[in-house]
Amino acid sequence: QQQVKQSPQSLIVQKGGISIINCAYENTAFDYFPWYQQFPGKGPALLIAIRPDVSEKKEGRFTISFNKSAKQFSLHIMDSQPGDSATYFCAANSGGYQKVTFGIGTKLQVIP
Amino acid sequence: DAGVIQSPRHEVTEMGQEVTLRCKPISGHNSLFWYRQTMMRGLELLIYFNNNVPIDDSGMPEDRFSAKMPNASFSTLKIQPSEPRDSAVYFCASRPQDRDEQYFGPGTRLTVT
Repeated sequence: QQQVKQSPQSLIVQKGGISIINCAYENTAFDYFPWYQQFPGKGPALLIAIRPDVSEKKEGRFTISFNKSAKQFSLHIMDSQPGDSATYFCAANSGGYQKVTFGIGTKLQVIP
Repeated sequence: DAGVIQSPRHEVTEMGQEVTLRCKPISGHNSLFWYRQTMMRGLELLIYFNNNVPIDDSGMPEDRFSAKMPNASFSTLKIQPSEPRDSAVYFCASRPQDRDEQYFGPGTRLTVT
């Protein structure tokens, strides 16, 4: 059972545009929602994360929007750059031993 | 800090052979995770340890897979016997106590022919 559904699986955005990746979860016990960025040949790296007590978190050009009632959260990349081209994973986990469930991933390509 | 260290970075082996993947977590981190990444299934958690104790191995595909963490600075993932469908990138990640973020290693690309 896929507990975190991510879309789209691939995305092409023009340089300077906004990239939007969406995720939905089922388990209401989840209380931590990170986004990871992965470049080819590298391991995923934490990009930004949010907890359900806030509806939005912004770090530079990256923003997470969180809708607790809809059980959805999204990543917005403003002013997308070619260097942002990577695979992005949303994830979710609950307390305790912090087992993380990942989405399927979105391959983002930012074209000049 | 050197980050999470994995070895080997690439492994090519024949079906039926034993494969051992190694991981050195970041010093001071008390949780360790093994993941498998494929195009079809994405990133799957295989097993994770907390303070060297296996907590959840429900993601281990079958008995051919085993993992150990004999001490806080070393873990292995073994596949015996290996099969072509085991071909994937295997990641190790570690996490500090009382923190949420995981730190991934560079991965081991395994090819079983």
